[in-house]
Amino acid sequence: EVQLVESGGGLVKPGGSLRLSCTASGFTFSTYSMNWVRQAPGKGLEWVATISSSSNYIYYADSMRGRFTISRDNAKNSLYLQMNSLRVDDTAVYSCVRGWGTIDYWGQGTLVTVSS
Amino acid sequence: AIQMTQSPSSLSAFVGDRVTITCRASQGIKNYLGWYQQKPGKAPNLLIYAASTLQSGVPSRFSASGSGTEFTLIISSLQPEDSATYYCLQGDSHPWTFGQGTKVEIK
Repeated sequence: EVQLVESGGGLVKPGGSLRLSCTASGFTFSTYSMNWVRQAPGKGLEWVATISSSSNYIYYADSMRGRFTISRDNAKNSLYLQMNSLRVDDTAVYSCVRGWGTIDYWGQGTLVTVSS
Repeated sequence: AIQMTQSPSSLSAFVGDRVTITCRASQGIKNYLGWYQQKPGKAPNLLIYAASTLQSGVPSRFSASGSGTEFTLIISSLQPEDSATYYCLQGDSHPWTFGQGTKVEIK
């Protein structure tokens, strides 16, 4: 069974930093592209970033480029999102998702709240 | 960036009704489109990939079609458990973009 479990969310002040982690199981993590997707409270889905299976290709949404860094450790079956210079409008549930072109599995997400 | 315009934003229908949701891409995306169902407090669930292929385990009352810029999700006979928000996602080119969502309610 494919499982994606996120951690690392919490309350942070504007301008602060947070590092999210996602632990994958139930599939060969090193062969899949992975992504982060977020959803602000009561709002729609927003793609954040993509990393290819061997980290050769990395893409970011415009509003997050330069502030967020996606990375992975295939030996640990883990995906990360380093978030710096956080803003109030970054408040959302951040989910780790699998796929390239099609997202086929989602984690339950971790809540990031940016507030003073 | 490719914009995905999804309509309607919400709809209300009776059990047994046929429901149609549309996504329009601002430029051609071939068939790199997926449809997702999200229930409150839950992660989205993949219904359709490659514009028209039903994901394993998804009821056959869900179908979809389209290519290029116009895509349609159809629920042939709406069931109470289909009450949810539906999203399309284009995966043709980065940045990937979702439609705004369609909230489906049961009358």
